[in-house]
Amino acid sequence: EIVLTQSPATLSLSPGERATLSCRASQSVSSYLAWYQQKPGQAPRLLIYDASNRATGTPARFSGSGSGTDFALTISSLEPEDFAVYYCQQRSSWPRTFGQGTKVEIK
Amino acid sequence: EVQLVESGGGLVQPGGSLRLSCEASGFTFSDYSMTWVRQAPGKGLEWVSTIRSSGSNTFYADSVKGRFTISRDNSINTLYLQMNGLRAEDTAVYYCGRGGYTSYFDSWGRGTLVTVSS
Repeated sequence: EIVLTQSPATLSLSPGERATLSCRASQSVSSYLAWYQQKPGQAPRLLIYDASNRATGTPARFSGSGSGTDFALTISSLEPEDFAVYYCQQRSSWPRTFGQGTKVEIK
Repeated sequence: EVQLVESGGGLVQPGGSLRLSCEASGFTFSDYSMTWVRQAPGKGLEWVSTIRSSGSNTFYADSVKGRFTISRDNSINTLYLQMNGLRAEDTAVYYCGRGGYTSYFDSWGRGTLVTVSS
C-alpha cells in the first residue's frame, strides 16, 4: 500500500499570504496524484489532478507540482474561502490512498 | 449538472447490516466507474471500494474486504454498498464519488452517516 504523508498538519496563515502544502509518497506514483479541498460539513472537491492540472472551476491561484514521490499544492494568495482541509490522493495503484490532510487555518 | 445523492445510512448494532444507495443524475452513469469513500467523525478520508463502469471489476480496501459488497444497476443509475458484519470502526459518513478506476473522484455526493453502536 502506498502511504501518502502530508505536511504540515496545520498551516496558520493570513489572507493574501502564500500557502505551500506538501505530500510525500512512500513509493513512486508517477504523476497520478490529486488534491482535494474539504470545508466543514461539505463533501471534498477535486482541485488538481495528475499532479498539476486544475480541475474545472479551480481558480488559477491554485497550482500543483511534483512527480514521483514529492508533490506540492501552492495557493498563491489566500482568499477567505480557501481556509479548509486539503487532501492528496494517489491512483497509481490499489488500494487508492489519501494523505491524512493539511488544515489551512486563519492566523 | 452532475448530482449524486446517497441514502440508507442510520444507526445499526454491531454485527448488523445496512445497504447504502447512491442515485446519480446529470451524466451517463454507465460510462463511469464509481467509488465509495468514508470519513470517520473528525478524521480524514478513507477509500472503501470502486466498481468499473460495467460492474465487471470491483476493488476493496482491506478493512472492508469480505464484509462489504459494491454493486451497481446501470438501468436505474444507482450505485450500492451492501455492508455486513458492521463494526464500531465502520462508523463514518459514506460518500459516493464518480470515478476511481482510471480517474479521480471528480464529483461527490453529500454523504450519508452510518453509526454502528449498541
